[in-house]
Amino acid sequence: DQQVKQNSPSLSVQEGRISILNCDYTNSMFDYFLWYKKYPAEGPTFLISISSIKDKNEDGRFTVFLNKSAKHLSLHIVPSQPGDSAVYFCAASGSGGSNYKLTFGKGTLLTVNP
Amino acid sequence: KAGVTQTPRYLIKTRGQQVTLSCSPISGHRSVSWYQQTPGQGLQFLFEYFSETQRNKGNFPGRFSGRQFSNSRSEMNVSTLELGDSALYLCASSYAGANVLTFGAGSRLTVL
Repeated sequence: DQQVKQNSPSLSVQEGRISILNCDYTNSMFDYFLWYKKYPAEGPTFLISISSIKDKNEDGRFTVFLNKSAKHLSLHIVPSQPGDSAVYFCAASGSGGSNYKLTFGKGTLLTVNP
Repeated sequence: KAGVTQTPRYLIKTRGQQVTLSCSPISGHRSVSWYQQTPGQGLQFLFEYFSETQRNKGNFPGRFSGRQFSNSRSEMNVSTLELGDSALYLCASSYAGANVLTFGAGSRLTVL
């Protein structure tokens, strides 16, 4: 049972436009959410996170939105740049003993075209 | 500050063999986690260690095992390798209680 879902395997956008990556989760015990970016032949790199007590977190060109009632989060990249082309993973962790692990989605391949 | 170091980066094994992968966490990080990445399944949690104790384990068979040493370095072992064990094995470290993990570049295992 996949608890974190990224339903779009790929996304293509033009340079300068907005990229919106979506993620849904089913486990209501998740209280912390993260986005990682991964280039080929490298490990995932932490991008931005959000706690369940917030509904928005911003860091430069990256903004994460959390809708707890819908169990949905999204990552907005504005403006998109060719260097943003990578696989983006959504991840979630819970409280208590389950905060020792991250549950990942299967990733979305973002391609930003010049 | 050095990142998370994984060795070897690439290795090829045959079915039935065993393999040991090594991970050196960021200095000061005492929690080490292991994940398996395959094309179809994404990143799946294997296990997490803190102070030489396994605190959490994912849904993998007993052929997958790990340990952590007193200097926080960690190893994972896969015995009786199967073709399906071909994957990128990622190690991540963090401070105690932190949600944000820092990943290494991974060890790419190919089982023939």
